[in-house]
Amino acid sequence: AQTVTQSQPEMSVQEAETVTLSCTYDTSESDYYLFWYKQPPSRQMILVIRQEAYKQQNATENRFSVNFQKAAKSFSLKISDSQLGDAAMYFCVLFGNEKLTFGTGTRLTIIP
Amino acid sequence: GAVVSQHPSRVICKSGTSVKIECRSLDFQATTMFWYRQFPKQSLMLMATSNEGSKATYEQGVEKDKFLINHASLTLSTLTVTSAHPEDSSFYICSARQNRGPTEAFFGQGTRLTVV
Repeated sequence: AQTVTQSQPEMSVQEAETVTLSCTYDTSESDYYLFWYKQPPSRQMILVIRQEAYKQQNATENRFSVNFQKAAKSFSLKISDSQLGDAAMYFCVLFGNEKLTFGTGTRLTIIP
Repeated sequence: GAVVSQHPSRVICKSGTSVKIECRSLDFQATTMFWYRQFPKQSLMLMATSNEGSKATYEQGVEKDKFLINHASLTLSTLTVTSAHPEDSSFYICSARQNRGPTEAFFGQGTRLTVV
């Protein structure tokens, strides 16, 4: 079975500051992908960043980057220069064995 | 990115009636579609996985006869909530993948179902 754990139900950060969202996972698959999706109030799921498990290099997408620690099964998301539009629920998602498994989510609030 | 259209976005129905929710991949062929249910302020719970042309695979605890899933073509999957009850009220989201490899999933806009 696959599991994804997000231990921070809520986080807040000052605008323009940096915040890190935590995620740990477990899977028996050797080939898998990890994603961070955001769900704003509109409830539309939006892909933030993707990491292939076989790649050692951490993925980066503009202000978003991950710290992928495969041995520790950790996949944290760092948001730099936080903006008001970053406010949303963030889900850590594991794809393996043809299934997407979601974490419980972290609600991120941006303080102006 | 690719677009997944889910319809309707909101529906209100009476107890005992059936409701059909459509999920369409507009600009790609989706060999696999997923149906999720999301309770307020909670994560997405996978209900079932459907592959085009074959029966859906339901997660443990999901009633197959209540939540009928059809994936008749590479661009359309439907979820029918049969004999709906107030406890079926929820937010339902579909997602679709382009091929069988582990690529990202594209999500529909979701459907808010209210059973009265």
